[in-house]
Amino acid sequence: QVQLQESGPGLVKPSETLSLTCTVSGGSVRSDSYYWSWIRQPPGKGLEWIGYISYRGNTNYNPSLKSRVTISLDTSKNQFSLKLSSVSAADTAVYYCASLYCTRTSCYLKDSWGQGTLVTVSS
Amino acid sequence: QSALTQPASVSGSPGQSITISCTGTSSDVGGYNYVSWYQQHPGKAPKLMIYDVSKRPSGVSNRFSGSKSGNTASLTISGLQAEDGADYYCSSYTTISTVVFGGGTKVTVL
Repeated sequence: QVQLQESGPGLVKPSETLSLTCTVSGGSVRSDSYYWSWIRQPPGKGLEWIGYISYRGNTNYNPSLKSRVTISLDTSKNQFSLKLSSVSAADTAVYYCASLYCTRTSCYLKDSWGQGTLVTVSS
Repeated sequence: QSALTQPASVSGSPGQSITISCTGTSSDVGGYNYVSWYQQHPGKAPKLMIYDVSKRPSGVSNRFSGSKSGNTASLTISGLQAEDGADYYCSSYTTISTVVFGGGTKVTVL
């Protein structure tokens, strides 16, 4: 059973860069058909997909965040990371990492989300 | 990309059936059979309830079922139970290889 765990600062200043890491255990980030994903949820609001990276390093981002987002992969540490630049209070949210499993006949976020980490943007 | 459209709230009495709709476009819900549904209790991570429109993961009650017609997907909960009270989100893979969520539906068991 693959498990994911987010880590990173819980407080970020406006205009700075938010950085989070997701550590994968019980499986490898080199797995084919897996797309390592970030999702966020502002307090009291719905889920928003941020983007993903494949084991080959291919990325795809939410068009509304694309100019500020970078997702990277560290296969040596079995981790993937999120960087969101020029943050504002609107970026305050619980950030989840998750695995998107996609093949030619199936595509869904597997039931192995991290527990989520609250990141607050405030001076 | 725009969020998929879900009703803000749905309610029902124990034992009843309820249905939550999820409306998108031909670029997401209507484009592939890759609609999934997630249940979220307060303070918890979402839990996968239905994937690929109508498939149920191991361990999920058969009271949960999914379907799709055109650009609208639906989640039906039959034999409503108190523990089904939660937020429910639909999600779809899109034709530009992104993922989009619905705005969420709060299910209240009366």
